[in-house]
Amino acid sequence: GNSVTQMEGPVTLSEEAFLTINCTYTATGYPSLFWYVQYPGEGLQLLLKATKADDKGSNKGFEATYRKETTSFHLEKGSVQVSDSAVYFCALNAGGTSYGKLTFGQGTILTVHP
Amino acid sequence: KAGVTQTPRYLIKTRGQQVTLSCSPISGHRSVSWYQQTPGQGLQFLFEYFSETQRNKGNFPGRFSGRQFSNSRSEMNVSTLELGDSALYLCASSFLGAQETQYFGPGTRLLVL
Repeated sequence: GNSVTQMEGPVTLSEEAFLTINCTYTATGYPSLFWYVQYPGEGLQLLLKATKADDKGSNKGFEATYRKETTSFHLEKGSVQVSDSAVYFCALNAGGTSYGKLTFGQGTILTVHP
Repeated sequence: KAGVTQTPRYLIKTRGQQVTLSCSPISGHRSVSWYQQTPGQGLQFLFEYFSETQRNKGNFPGRFSGRQFSNSRSEMNVSTLELGDSALYLCASSFLGAQETQYFGPGTRLLVL
């Protein structure tokens, strides 16, 4: 079946540090890939997405590139801020008959200290 | 456009009761998906509705059910509540329920005592 694996958290960084959160996936066909962010007490917000191989999604300084050869979609940011502290989820939609179904990784808690 | 709304935001029930949660999608979106989020199991897909039809279903017992109305609003129902049903229930909407972006509501936090 389809699955998403994220790096173990929590991740603790100082402000302005470089961030990488690893995400790898298993899926048949050509999934669409997403990063969502969840702040305390809230639902999920789309951070970025990519729909085909070699696409780069970007938003608010975050980037991720869809790498089909390594089945990866790692999230990066060059300089994190305290306000980036949240839980980050990598997800895929496998397409086909996977109507409306996102498969999520386990989430990575990010804490950024001043 | 208004975002996805969910009511109620918080709910406390006791074991054996049933509960109904409501979700209003973004205007024009016809697909509504439901997810359960718990610390132990993470985010798990419950089911998806499109044009009042359930097209996809996750691996949950029959106590979990849903429906969609002609205006695309959706409800999910959990009967005979168990302690393990305590969770954040999230709904998400998208235009077609294919591989496009799903937009999430704030969730309903259910506590079963």
